[in-house]
Amino acid sequence: AQSVTQPDIHITVSEGASLELRCNYSYGATPYLFWYVQSPGQGLQLLLKYFSGDTLVQGIKGFEAEFKRSQSSFNLRKPSVHWSDAAEYFCAVGALTGTASKLTFGTGTRLQVTL
Amino acid sequence: DVKVTQSSRYLVKRTGEKVFLECVQDMDHENMFWYRQDPGLGLRLIYFSYDVKMKEKGDIPEGYSVSREKKERFSLILESASTNQTSMYLCASISSQGQETQYFGPGTRLLVL
Repeated sequence: AQSVTQPDIHITVSEGASLELRCNYSYGATPYLFWYVQSPGQGLQLLLKYFSGDTLVQGIKGFEAEFKRSQSSFNLRKPSVHWSDAAEYFCAVGALTGTASKLTFGTGTRLQVTL
Repeated sequence: DVKVTQSSRYLVKRTGEKVFLECVQDMDHENMFWYRQDPGLGLRLIYFSYDVKMKEKGDIPEGYSVSREKKERFSLILESASTNQTSMYLCASISSQGQETQYFGPGTRLLVL
């Protein structure tokens, strides 16, 4: 069965500083990997996804993530954080089940941005 | 613009009540999902459906049932609500065509008293 670990429950960074959120996955085949962001009181919005090809993936809002098969990781990065990036971030791994694409989520990392 | 809507943002129910949570998507997606979200546990899959009238159990189906009578609508049913079902419920949908993305609704925060 697939699983996702986000080892950091809560991270605080200063506005303008760089950010890296960690994600490790367990999956027997080539994974589909996702990062979602959830602002307070909102649903989940897709930041970026990896299916195949280039292991460095660019997403919205200036985020990127790098797939490292040898480390089973898919860490999210941003070179300069903005106060509006404060939110909860979820990493997910996807698997095809029949014709459905099921996602398994990590427990999330809450990002706080100080001014 | 893709859209997944949920019938209520906030809901307060009493223990033992039957509760219906409705989800509608306008993207003609085949697959729909219900998750619950709890602090420290992330999102956990309750049920999913890959076609009209088809359903499969997710990771935590106990205490829940679902209904999918039309392609665009997927309902989550709590037959007899209990306090441990107080949670945020998120609906999602995805096309079955190729490498697609799950789109999420805004969520329903349910409080069972």
